[in-house]
Amino acid sequence: DAGITQSPRHKVTETGTPVTLRCHQTENHRYMYWYRQDPGHGLRLIHYSYGVKDTDKGEVSDGYSVSRSKTEDFLLTLESATSSQTSVYFCAISKGQGLTGELFFGEGSRLTVL
Amino acid sequence: DAKTTQPTSMDCAEGRAANLPCNHSTISGNEYVYWYRQIHSQGPQYIIHGLKNNETNEMASLIITEDRKSSTLILPHATLRDTAVYYCIVTGGATNKLIFGTGTLLAVQP
Repeated sequence: DAGITQSPRHKVTETGTPVTLRCHQTENHRYMYWYRQDPGHGLRLIHYSYGVKDTDKGEVSDGYSVSRSKTEDFLLTLESATSSQTSVYFCAISKGQGLTGELFFGEGSRLTVL
Repeated sequence: DAKTTQPTSMDCAEGRAANLPCNHSTISGNEYVYWYRQIHSQGPQYIIHGLKNNETNEMASLIITEDRKSSTLILPHATLRDTAVYYCIVTGGATNKLIFGTGTLLAVQP
């Protein structure tokens, strides 16, 4: 158990509505990540964080914003959800000192945008 | 970060060794090779990583060629629970982020 909790685990919403996914960790690790996974694309990095209020963009950041106001929580927000953002979203933490190292993933949040 | 090439799918008989290849011909000197796997609908799981020496842990062995242009992940005695998508990732360069490709679907057959 890597001490990562994602919420909600499943969500159905309509196009144009805001959505926030939460990733919570219990071990105070510095690095946290948000990935999305779609058929045929594998996992793609959306945003990552290297400390409180320190975030950066990944491969597919358009349409997403993140916030990290405290070490244990990393929030992913879709300001106005679109059908192309229907996906499974995974949060991960790094237990190493650097940006990579071993990543531990949450169970995923399945988002459907109608 | 260097790009990796993996076969789309492989089969392996239960109890036999599974050897999963990965080509990373553009790897640079400070980049590591990481392996992860993802069992259906679960989050990816870290397996092993290495720089240039062969590595072994309780899950698998990683063999990296001397020129570092390719590597092989070895599951010594595959079980049905090892059926998963296996990702080979090269990172540690300027961006130092883990970028996943589409991986190899390993199907362990009874």
